[in-house]
Amino acid sequence: DQQVKQNSPSLSVQEGRISILNCDYTNSMFDYFLWYKKYPAEGPTFLISISSIKDKNEDGRFTVFLNKSAKHLSLHIVPSQPGDSAVYFCAAPNSGAGSYQLTFGKGTKLSVIP
Amino acid sequence: DTAVSQTPKYLVTQMGNDKSIKCEQNLGHDTMYWYKQDSKKFLKIMFSYNNKELIINETVPNRFSPKSPDKAHLNLHINSLELGDSAVYFCASSQESGSQWETQYFGPGTRLLVL
Repeated sequence: DQQVKQNSPSLSVQEGRISILNCDYTNSMFDYFLWYKKYPAEGPTFLISISSIKDKNEDGRFTVFLNKSAKHLSLHIVPSQPGDSAVYFCAAPNSGAGSYQLTFGKGTKLSVIP
Repeated sequence: DTAVSQTPKYLVTQMGNDKSIKCEQNLGHDTMYWYKQDSKKFLKIMFSYNNKELIINETVPNRFSPKSPDKAHLNLHINSLELGDSAVYFCASSQESGSQWETQYFGPGTRLLVL
């Protein structure tokens, strides 16, 4: 039962253009969402997050949009750079007695073409 | 300085063996985690642990056991390794803050191959 879904396994974008990565979720109890970025042979690194009380959060070239009614969020990268090429994971925390375990999507591999 | 480190980076072993993966964090965090990334690339939580309690994902076989000698370490011990245990295992840590979610910092992963 995938509670966090990333339906696009890969995405290719030209350098300088916008990259849009999508994520859907099924658990209406989720109230916080995160994007992690992962390079090969490295662990995931936190990129940006959004609380369910907001519909947008921006940090430099990265913006996350949340549509609660559609249970959908997206990560926009503008302008895309070759160094952005990585796997991007959408995630949401499940609270369990004060410890927050992350539920991850399957990831989308972004390739930014110079 | 590496914030969350894991050893070994690669581990190749025979079915039936017992092995341990070590994790250390120098961030002063209260909570540590183990995640498994399987062949289908799903990253799934296995355990979360702080000085108060261990929370185990119910799908994790009891051959897997986390051991924490102190707050900065959470090692993963695996008994009677099976072929299906082959995966990348990630350690992570975060600050304990009760009701507020805190960023989790991940280690580089340990690639386990069971032959």
